[in-house]
Amino acid sequence: NAGVTQTPKFQVLKTGQSMTLQCAQDMNHNSMYWYRQDPGMGLRLIYYSASEGTTDKGEVPNGYNVSRLNKREFSLRLESAAPSQTSVYFCASSPGQVYSPLHFGNGTRLTVT
Amino acid sequence: AQTVTQSQPEMSVQEAETVTLSCTYDTSESDYYLFWYKQPPSRQMILVIRQEAYKQQNATENRFSVNFQKAAKSFSLKISDSQLGDAAMYFCAYRSAFTSGTYKYIFGTGTRLKVLA
Repeated sequence: NAGVTQTPKFQVLKTGQSMTLQCAQDMNHNSMYWYRQDPGMGLRLIYYSASEGTTDKGEVPNGYNVSRLNKREFSLRLESAAPSQTSVYFCASSPGQVYSPLHFGNGTRLTVT
Repeated sequence: AQTVTQSQPEMSVQEAETVTLSCTYDTSESDYYLFWYKQPPSRQMILVIRQEAYKQQNATENRFSVNFQKAAKSFSLKISDSQLGDAAMYFCAYRSAFTSGTYKYIFGTGTRLKVLA
């Protein structure tokens, strides 16, 4: 029972490099989310997807793009990484039912030098 | 826009004692859910407890309970008989009403709980 799987777990990038964070869930959830966690800032929503084929901006979308490839997968792309994007990134999903909490992946620690 | 405030960046509790973590939120919605998540050093996000705004009865899960004061927009977490394994970062989260095909979840800045042996 994998739940939400994120890859990679750790990544170091140089300023200007690009990369894609992968996320997949096997719970048949409709909604998927990307958050970043920074000390003293809590979790802030980057992008979310209500269903396959739809995506919307969250609180801090600048510098990121997303793709909801299918119902299972929701990727986050950094086109030109900046030191300000050093953070821990969490993918989460929810079935969209009224009482549902978020189910989280284990996070990706990204360092941009 | 909804906001969630956790005013205690860090708390300490003696093992076997009780501690209360504070959370306040701001919203104009009447239908919403509130959650507490625990994040141990492993970085995993673990659901601790949830509360529906329409339910007046406070939620309880074993040693964890909430004090939900809707009019005051307050949602505190009480941990009884604290254990060393309770040491973690705790996040309060607000789930908004269903809009644009889904719910949005807004998190506070977290409270780091230390448990002293």
